[in-house]
Amino acid sequence: NAGVTQTPKFRVLKTGQSMTLLCAQDMNHEYMYWYRQDPGMGLRLIHYSVGEGTTAKGEVPDGYNVSRLKKQNFLLGLESAAPSQTSVYFCATSRDRGNQHFGDGTRLSIL
Amino acid sequence: GQNIDQPTEMTATEGAIVQINCTYQTSGFNGLFWYQQHAGEAPTFLSYNVLDGLEEKGRFSSFLSRSKGYSYLLLKELQMKDSASYLCAGLNYQLIWGAGTKLIIKP
Repeated sequence: NAGVTQTPKFRVLKTGQSMTLLCAQDMNHEYMYWYRQDPGMGLRLIHYSVGEGTTAKGEVPDGYNVSRLKKQNFLLGLESAAPSQTSVYFCATSRDRGNQHFGDGTRLSIL
Repeated sequence: GQNIDQPTEMTATEGAIVQINCTYQTSGFNGLFWYQQHAGEAPTFLSYNVLDGLEEKGRFSSFLSRSKGYSYLLLKELQMKDSASYLCAGLNYQLIWGAGTKLIIKP
């Protein structure tokens, strides 16, 4: 029972490159979230999903896209990476709007 | 907007008690969460208060006053492993997160 698994764990990109972060869960949760966490700031919601096939914008969606084609997977895409997107990215899931369960994070550096 | 405020950093001594405060605007929140986050790790759930009052769970307790927009996390018998950041989050349509309080425990 892995819970919430994020891949990759670390990545270094050059400005302008694209990549996709994968979040997979085996908890059968409906809600899934992508956050970024920067020093001195709280978790900021990028996008979220309330069920398979749905996505919605969070607080800081610009420069990111998401897809939830299967209930267990939530993908975060960066089409053209920028240094301002250097951050730690966390995926989280929840059964309802309450307690969230987090993956171990992806540390992303954009040069 | 809905802001959540908590101190940036606190220092306490091993074996002592520490209280971490969290204040928020009162409109719209349906409850308040506390999470613990060790450096380099993911946040993990500590407590959830939906009603006013104190919830006790072992060495950790959490208090909520909805009318005052105020919560605190109380940690007793501090251990070195309690050194971490403590995140306060209010539940509206989504969780609204504070920036976290870094707790440093000294021997």
